[in-house]
Amino acid sequence: DPKIIQKPKYLVAVTGSEKILICEQYLGHNAMYWYRQSAKKPLEFMFSYSYQKLMDNQTASSRFQPQSSKKNHLDLQITALKPDDSATYFCASSQDRGLNSDYTFGSGTRLLVI
Amino acid sequence: GDSVTQTEGLVTLTKGLPVMLNCTYQTTYSPFLFWYVQHLNEAPKLLLKSSTDNKRTEHQGFYATLHKSSSSFHLQKSSVQLSDSALYFCALSDRSGGYKVVFGSGTRLLVSP
Repeated sequence: DPKIIQKPKYLVAVTGSEKILICEQYLGHNAMYWYRQSAKKPLEFMFSYSYQKLMDNQTASSRFQPQSSKKNHLDLQITALKPDDSATYFCASSQDRGLNSDYTFGSGTRLLVI
Repeated sequence: GDSVTQTEGLVTLTKGLPVMLNCTYQTTYSPFLFWYVQHLNEAPKLLLKSSTDNKRTEHQGFYATLHKSSSSFHLQKSSVQLSDSALYFCALSDRSGGYKVVFGSGTRLLVSP
């Protein structure tokens, strides 16, 4: 069984629309992250959360908003979608946020903006 | 800020040959170094990690030694297999970056029969 569930697996969106990417982890981890992978910038850090609190935000745009309704959930809302947002978005988690943290990644949501 | 450099974008090899994937890093703090492997259409998975200077760490036939003097953490294997074809990411974590893991650009390894 997958330990980190990301939904949907594939997503096609129209430019200007809004989408929410879902992430749930069943590892009992306290820290969760979002990364983006595209041809231009492989595995680019976006956000980190620890105990449902935002710890770090490296996205330049406020169009990307993480949402944590439960400790094991970290969704990603993207508004006013642009073709440049097309990428695979990976959710990851670790036991805690620390130097030696092993990340477990979900299988990703592949987003295509047309 | 922290950075990880992987100089090879693509490495192609014949099965059974040795491989070394280069990784160098820049940081002002003592880092933890990682190698992650991503097979086609799959999630990245941790391959091995280290924070100990000059100590070899091994997993699944791959090995790497962290050399702080040269800021390097090259990944090696003595005999590659077809199943080793994948994208390999070197990454680091340290307290200056809020402990987030920063990834290199990745090296794609293609192993042919």
